[in-house]
Amino acid sequence: DAKTTQPPSMDCAEGRAANLPCNHSTISGNEYVYWYRQIHSQGPQYIIHGLKNNETNEMASLIITEDRKSSTLILPHATLRDTAVYYCIVRVGSSNTGKLIFGQGTTLQVKP
Amino acid sequence: ETGVTQSPTHLIKTRGQQVTLRCSSQSGHNTVSWYQQALGQGPQFIFQYYREEENGRGNFPPRFSGLQFPNYSSELNVNALELDDSALYLCASSPFGGAGTGELFFGEGSRLTVL
Repeated sequence: DAKTTQPPSMDCAEGRAANLPCNHSTISGNEYVYWYRQIHSQGPQYIIHGLKNNETNEMASLIITEDRKSSTLILPHATLRDTAVYYCIVRVGSSNTGKLIFGQGTTLQVKP
Repeated sequence: ETGVTQSPTHLIKTRGQQVTLRCSSQSGHNTVSWYQQALGQGPQFIFQYYREEENGRGNFPPRFSGLQFPNYSSELNVNALELDDSALYLCASSPFGGAGTGELFFGEGSRLTVL
C-alpha cells in the first residue's frame, strides 16, 4: 500500500501557483519524498524529490515540514500543460530499486 | 540521448492468449522495471530486471514473466491472458547503483486490451 495520502482532485487558475499537499506520517528517516506527474496517456515524469530540506528546480518547489510528516509541491505559475495526475511517493533515495509505490494521486486541473 | 521506448503502443488480444511487450531502456541505464496501470489507478510495480535477472517482484502471479537482454532491453510476457489484464503497461529504466536522484525514466506505455 502507498505510504502517502493526497486529495483526489484540485483546480488551479492559469498563471497562479498550484499547491499540492501530501501526507506521509509514517515516513522513515532514510526515505525521501518524490513527486511524479502523469499527463494523460503518457508515462509518469519525475518532478522533484527531497529528504528534509526544501528543494527547488526548474519545474517546481518542494516544501517538507520539519517533522517530515507532510509536504507540498508548488508549481509557481501553473499553465494548461500542467494539467495532470500528480503522485507523491516515499522511497529510499538513490536506491537500487525500480520499485515505486504509487497511490491514487491528485488530479490537477488548470483552468484558463 | 534516446529515451525509453516501448512497443507495440496498442494491441488487442483475446482471453487465454499470450502477449509479449518490449522495452528499450534509456542509454546507459542497466535496470528496467515494469508497471501495470489499470484505468483510473496508479501504476503497480510488476518486477525489475538487472543483469538479465529478476531483481524484485510485486504481487503478480507467475504468468507474468520477463527477460532482460545484454543490451539492457527487456520483454514482459503475460500468459493465459485474463480480462483484468487489460491495462497500460509501463516500462521504466534507471542506472543501477548510480549516484543521482534515484529517478526512474518511463516510456509511453503499451496499452493492452483483452477481449
